[in-house]
Amino acid sequence: DAGITQSPRHKVTETGTPVTLRCHQTENHRYMYWYRQDPGHGLRLIHYSYGVKDTDKGEVSDGYSVSRSKTEDFLLTLESATSSQTSVYFCAISEIWKTKNIQYFGAGTRLSVL
Amino acid sequence: GIQVEQSPPDLILQEGANSTLRCNFSDSVNNLQWFHQNPWGQLINLFYIPSGTKQNGRLSATTVATERYSLLYISSSQTTDSGVYFCAVESDKLIFGTGTRLQVFP
Repeated sequence: DAGITQSPRHKVTETGTPVTLRCHQTENHRYMYWYRQDPGHGLRLIHYSYGVKDTDKGEVSDGYSVSRSKTEDFLLTLESATSSQTSVYFCAISEIWKTKNIQYFGAGTRLSVL
Repeated sequence: GIQVEQSPPDLILQEGANSTLRCNFSDSVNNLQWFHQNPWGQLINLFYIPSGTKQNGRLSATTVATERYSLLYISSSQTTDSGVYFCAVESDKLIFGTGTRLQVFP
């Protein structure tokens, strides 16, 4: 599993509340990613990080923010959760070897916004 | 951006059968990966294969980059092969297809 831990694994929250998901890695990888998975869409990139305090937007970043204050932790925050953010969220890291950029995924967080 | 299409969307097999899954992509890529998402939701890397052919046990993959497609072969399928198979390609970011859902019955 490339040493990736996501927490919590499941969360139910109400519309309008803030939510923070955590991704923790143990192998000092530079690149970390947050994806969401929805039926009919596969996985879509929300935000990614290429180093401490270095982040950028992905395909579906509206309504989400991220922070990376330490190499090992990448946080995804929903400032005011909406029902459209009900999804399964996956964190990933990149293992880069020569020119290969291979992504490995955490176990996922299932979020329900009621 | 790059479009990724996978076919078939659904596949039902009996144990022991062989299958071929296809991934078409719309532009040149420098990375192509195949993943298996098991029934518990875990995404597992199968192959990193931007070009050429690789084999790992009963699974093999071929990517023809010049023709913008990749194939995943599953031979002698087992019930544990069930799940969703994703192809993902990268030019600057990894873009996933919508997957092929495989069900293998005893």
